[in-house]
Amino acid sequence: QVYLRQSGPGLVKPSQTLSLTCAISGDSVSGNTGAWNWLRQSPSRGLEWLGKTYYTSFWSYDYAFFVKSRITVIPDTSKNQFSLQLKSATPDDTAVYFCARQIHGSSLFDSWGQGTLVTVSS
Amino acid sequence: QSALTQPSSVSGSPGRSITISCTGTSGDIGVHEFVSWYQVHPDKTPQLILYDVANRPSGVSYRFSGSKSGNTASLTISDLRAEDEADYYCNSYTTSSTWVFGGGTRLTVL
Repeated sequence: QVYLRQSGPGLVKPSQTLSLTCAISGDSVSGNTGAWNWLRQSPSRGLEWLGKTYYTSFWSYDYAFFVKSRITVIPDTSKNQFSLQLKSATPDDTAVYFCARQIHGSSLFDSWGQGTLVTVSS
Repeated sequence: QSALTQPSSVSGSPGRSITISCTGTSGDIGVHEFVSWYQVHPDKTPQLILYDVANRPSGVSYRFSGSKSGNTASLTISDLRAEDEADYYCNSYTTSSTWVFGGGTRLTVL
């Protein structure tokens, strides 16, 4: 059983960097089971996929076009976790953020973090 | 990559069936079978109800079924119940190695 535990601040000031971490138990961030994703949900924008990282023989990263210039997903093998950094936050980034594991070779996102409400406001 | 296109709302009576469409392009839905559907109740974590077009995760009711034709995927819910009232989102992998969601469909059970 895979568990994902999210942590990070719930309030971010505009223009600052939104940072969240997802700690993994039951799998390895550098394993070959799947990819490690960040998504968000808001009433105004619905569900959105933001980005992912995964390891084959090297680390790969893919990002949604609408945040590509501002997002970084960072794996940390020493702590078995991965992080989201979203620069230059605006109130439009206010949402519930989720981390999730997607199984390679399928559209199965089988394990999700508990969700973190992040509000971007001064 | 543009969002997939879903109707903003659908409705149906208890016991009846409804179908929600999800239209993409030859760069996403049309090119592979990596399409999934999520049910979202207010203030709840999204629940995966179908993956790889028509596969149900363990514990999901047989009343949920999926299909795909060309660039359009569909979710059908049969024998509608009050608890099915929620928002539904489709999701597809793309040729850019990214994932894209639809805009969501609000299901109202009359």
